[in-house]
Amino acid sequence: NAGVMQNPRHLVRRRGQEARLRCSPMKGHSHVYWYRQLPEEGLKFMVYLQKENIIDESGMPKERFSAEFPKEGPSILRIQQVVRGDSAAYFCASSLGTESSGNTIYFGEGSWLTVV
Amino acid sequence: SQQGEEDPQALSIQEGENATMNCSYKTSINNLQWYRQNSGRGLVHLILIRSNEREKHSGRLRVTLDTSKKSSSLLITASRAADTASYFCAFRGIYGGATNKLIFGTGTLLAVQP
Repeated sequence: NAGVMQNPRHLVRRRGQEARLRCSPMKGHSHVYWYRQLPEEGLKFMVYLQKENIIDESGMPKERFSAEFPKEGPSILRIQQVVRGDSAAYFCASSLGTESSGNTIYFGEGSWLTVV
Repeated sequence: SQQGEEDPQALSIQEGENATMNCSYKTSINNLQWYRQNSGRGLVHLILIRSNEREKHSGRLRVTLDTSKKSSSLLITASRAADTASYFCAFRGIYGGATNKLIFGTGTLLAVQP
């Protein structure tokens, strides 16, 4: 019973390169969330997706960041032209349903991005 | 800010002692959850308390919720060195827009000395 799977676990990119982070939700889960955690800080919400739809992207930076959750395959968080300030842990989470059904959100182990 | 505030920011205790962490928030909520994060790892869900509940227990964990004060506390009894971790409260707010996302507190770093 695999949990939320994220890869890569660690990623090093040079400034200006692109970073792609992948997330496979728990089996049967159709709701995916991405969070960012800067060093020594809590988690900040970035985006909430359901299959093929972005539901809430209020936490996404306006530029360089994008997310998708296609009908087939994992959810992808894409960061273009990375800068040092993008260095952080990026956590993906998934849930079976919505708040109204009281579903717990389960987190992956995170992808640690270092921009050099 | 929609973010929750936790205090203390850091807490150091001896093994066997109790640890209490507090979380305050500003919005109305459906439920509040507590998560644990070991250094360099992901988050582990500990316990969920609904807005119509005042107290909940799970093993050595006891959570209280006071919606009138918009606050919650997490008590870990008889702490162990293995409890050393960061603890975060998280809640789903009721405000304009989507309600399904979790908003996290700032976290409490707990160190349990053996």
